[in-house]
Amino acid sequence: SQQGEEDPQALSIQEGENATMNCSYKTSINNLQWYRQNSGRGLVHLILIRSNEREKHSGRLRVTLDTSKKSSSLLITASRAADTASYFCATTSPPGNTGKLIFGQGTTLQVKP
Amino acid sequence: NAGVMQNPRHLVRRRGQEARLRCSPMKGHSHVYWYRQLPEEGLKFMVYLQKENIIDESGMPKERFSAEFPKEGPSILRIQQVVRGDSAAYFCASSHKGTGQETQYFGPGTRLLVL
Repeated sequence: SQQGEEDPQALSIQEGENATMNCSYKTSINNLQWYRQNSGRGLVHLILIRSNEREKHSGRLRVTLDTSKKSSSLLITASRAADTASYFCATTSPPGNTGKLIFGQGTTLQVKP
Repeated sequence: NAGVMQNPRHLVRRRGQEARLRCSPMKGHSHVYWYRQLPEEGLKFMVYLQKENIIDESGMPKERFSAEFPKEGPSILRIQQVVRGDSAAYFCASSHKGTGQETQYFGPGTRLLVL
């Protein structure tokens, strides 16, 4: 079964606005990763946040992790039309540490120019 | 430094035929993961392999699907006697260590269409 549930399923904003996507998961995790997928393309890794971290930044991206609530958020600031894509969270969980990723259903983001 | 390579990018098969999907991991990576993405859905784990070993195949359908990662050459995902429900995008990813503590890098995917 899928680990992550993402919210909202779809988001439409104007260029320059901020976009926030949320991800919830069910079991304990090793880490949580966010990926972007442009239509019909492969996945691009955005950011990895470990279970003992609370916040991480990368350029216009800010990711938070709340392990007590089993949730994470991805904030894209000053959005651009090129940010239009689907965004997925994915987790790896103990035990076993095989590294397999459990993906959420994704949030489809449309940034209007 | 080439990324993860997959071929073919697009594959069309008729029902009952075999599909072979290939994945070459990033240089220096010996851990390969296969995922399947059905239309309008997220990715679902299928199998995790190291060189010459299947480590975790908990996501593989019990019949018709097999995977290998030989000592030399790419990893192969093989689907025998394909059915229309196998139509999907198949992605492989690679990592340096299969610990779950590091980034997995994804290939561009193979889009399989079963007629």
